[in-house]
Amino acid sequence: DAGVIQSPRHEVTEMGQEVTLRCKPISGHDYLFWYRQTMMRGLELLIYFNNNVPIDDSGMPEDRFSAKMPNASFSTLKIQPSEPRDSAVYFCASSLGATGRTEAFFGQGTRLTVV
Amino acid sequence: AQKVTQAQTEISVVEKEDVTLDCVYETRDTTYYLFWYKQPPSGELVFLIRRNSFDEQNEISGRYSWNFQKSTSSFNFTITASQVVDSAVYFCALELGSSNTGKLIFGQGTTLQVKP
Repeated sequence: DAGVIQSPRHEVTEMGQEVTLRCKPISGHDYLFWYRQTMMRGLELLIYFNNNVPIDDSGMPEDRFSAKMPNASFSTLKIQPSEPRDSAVYFCASSLGATGRTEAFFGQGTRLTVV
Repeated sequence: AQKVTQAQTEISVVEKEDVTLDCVYETRDTTYYLFWYKQPPSGELVFLIRRNSFDEQNEISGRYSWNFQKSTSSFNFTITASQVVDSAVYFCALELGSSNTGKLIFGQGTTLQVKP
């Protein structure tokens, strides 16, 4: 199994530009998560999906952030317009979500820098 | 409220020393799961262990061991005979049993530096 795949690994963009982060979860996993890691706030959950449906987006910081999961093998996190304070590492993770097997497996992250 | 506290921000040890990373959690759920993840300098998050709230047996995996004590709401992680490759940020995390989804609440992490 290839694991959770995120792209791009690094993204540098100018303030005001739209940024799209991509994630391919592990095949067969029912849950997909987007986390953000910053020095100030640590690792925080932004949103998660179950069977492609958004369940909890209470962690999404602002309306500038949106996430979609059009099918079981693909999800995007979009920031429009981007701001310097959005600079962080964004992780995608997936899990089976079934009793006894709920550890989340993480992708390698996308390091976003907004200048 | 649910919370995970890793009071040690940074720890530095010399190779071959034993080191314990502390984790204290808060939850009112009776069913929950505790995790440790490792984040090496390359940046990815690597799963180390998952423990449910009904299993208080300590666990050992090679040089790694975990001590779970519900009485003190702690889930501490010990590395025996540390090695330079153990240098990383270690995160303790909590998943509520009511969610059963893998949604994690992370501690702030402990940066471990193992010097040769």
